[in-house]
Amino acid sequence: GAGVSQSPSNKVTEKGKDVELRCDPISGHTALYWYRQSLGQGLEFLIYFQGNSAPDKSGLPSDRFSAERTGGSVSTLTIQRTQQEDSAVYLCASSLQPQSGTDTQYFGPGTRLTVL
Amino acid sequence: GQNIDQPTEMTATEGAIVQINCTYQTSGFNGLFWYQQHAGEAPTFLSYNVLDGLEEKGRFSSFLSRSKGYSYLLLKELQMKDSASYLCAVMDSNYQLIWGAGTKLIIKP
Repeated sequence: GAGVSQSPSNKVTEKGKDVELRCDPISGHTALYWYRQSLGQGLEFLIYFQGNSAPDKSGLPSDRFSAERTGGSVSTLTIQRTQQEDSAVYLCASSLQPQSGTDTQYFGPGTRLTVL
Repeated sequence: GQNIDQPTEMTATEGAIVQINCTYQTSGFNGLFWYQQHAGEAPTFLSYNVLDGLEEKGRFSSFLSRSKGYSYLLLKELQMKDSASYLCAVMDSNYQLIWGAGTKLIIKP
């Protein structure tokens, strides 16, 4: 596709339920990032995938959060037993030249998650 | 620890010039990025600096001083559509982007 796509665009769920957020990166981009952005705040790094390497999970806030990337393309971020503090916009980005200073990340439109 | 500082909010007048500053302390440096984010939208890439000096791109310019850990984004001939948040991000020695909280720029007619 032309850009990074994410689905759903909006998700409202009840506290304690599990949710899955999907990201489809730009074709050919080997690196994929997940970020979280609370209202009026900066970007909080969650997880990074690069090719077939083990993902960098250093930003995941708790073990309720997990992500996978199948076939080096589409990624799914799963939040189990959602809490109200998980409410935020979840942004996905992809890039072509990771491990390069010129690497530019391109962002998807985000998924706005609301936990009631 | 790693830290990126930028003002929370700035106000400027349509047609004027505004400078948004960013200071950083990171473990290593592999370049500094500026992104623009309109309310409710995803960030979009504006500029990249890795060497000291000024990079100009139309109405937008970005400056870097590595010795001072300092950058600024200069916006000229401000237009109402420039109202947005401007995010400063530094790529550290592990090629990870460290993000600032963003500066909300309000343009008044």
